[in-house]
Amino acid sequence: DTEVTQTPKHLVMGMTNKKSLKCEQHMGHRAMYWYKQKAKKPPELMFVYSYEKLSINESVPSRFSPECPNSSLLNLHLHALQPEDSALYLCASSQEGVYTQYFGPGTRLTVL
Amino acid sequence: DQQVKQNSPSLSVQEGRISILNCDYTNSMFDYFLWYKKYPAEGPTFLISISSIKDKNEDGRFTVFLNKSAKHLSLHIVPSQPGDSAVYFCAGSGGTYKYIFGTGTRLKVLA
Repeated sequence: DTEVTQTPKHLVMGMTNKKSLKCEQHMGHRAMYWYKQKAKKPPELMFVYSYEKLSINESVPSRFSPECPNSSLLNLHLHALQPEDSALYLCASSQEGVYTQYFGPGTRLTVL
Repeated sequence: DQQVKQNSPSLSVQEGRISILNCDYTNSMFDYFLWYKKYPAEGPTFLISISSIKDKNEDGRFTVFLNKSAKHLSLHIVPSQPGDSAVYFCAGSGGTYKYIFGTGTRLKVLA
């Protein structure tokens, strides 16, 4: 099973809203990732968690707040977003020491 | 600084023929490379990987070639099928969690 699930599939929010994106994997992977992808652009890394600890933060604005409650779950809390934050948000996971990352289907976020 | 480049934004190939997708990189510290296929509004699907200690890796219809001296890799799909029509990304990593993705090549396989 190489499945990473993400909810919701689509999200529309206003600039004053608070919302969360959820990601789940049951492959026993100990590294989990958030990426942002704009149209016709490659995925851009936002955060990496390794063993439930934040390992990489690619200078992401504080209006994006990641959380890793356990080894299977990864959340991305959103607050006071801007319209330019509209994008496809992708979650991925990988085993420690193995480089292949497996992606979820993504959440299409629209900020009005 | 574009560390991974896919210079062909699109490619059309007849069904049954070979598709060759190219990728160039500048970071000599990269030691592992991945190819992903992506359909619209979906997450990337892992296809095949290659370590820098190899120059070729094959999996079914997919073969990746790595030329370290030229900092170039290519993905060959033989035979190409209409279902292969998608955007293909290559990505490189220097031994950390951080992958750098290329800009993608849109492959269209014509029936």
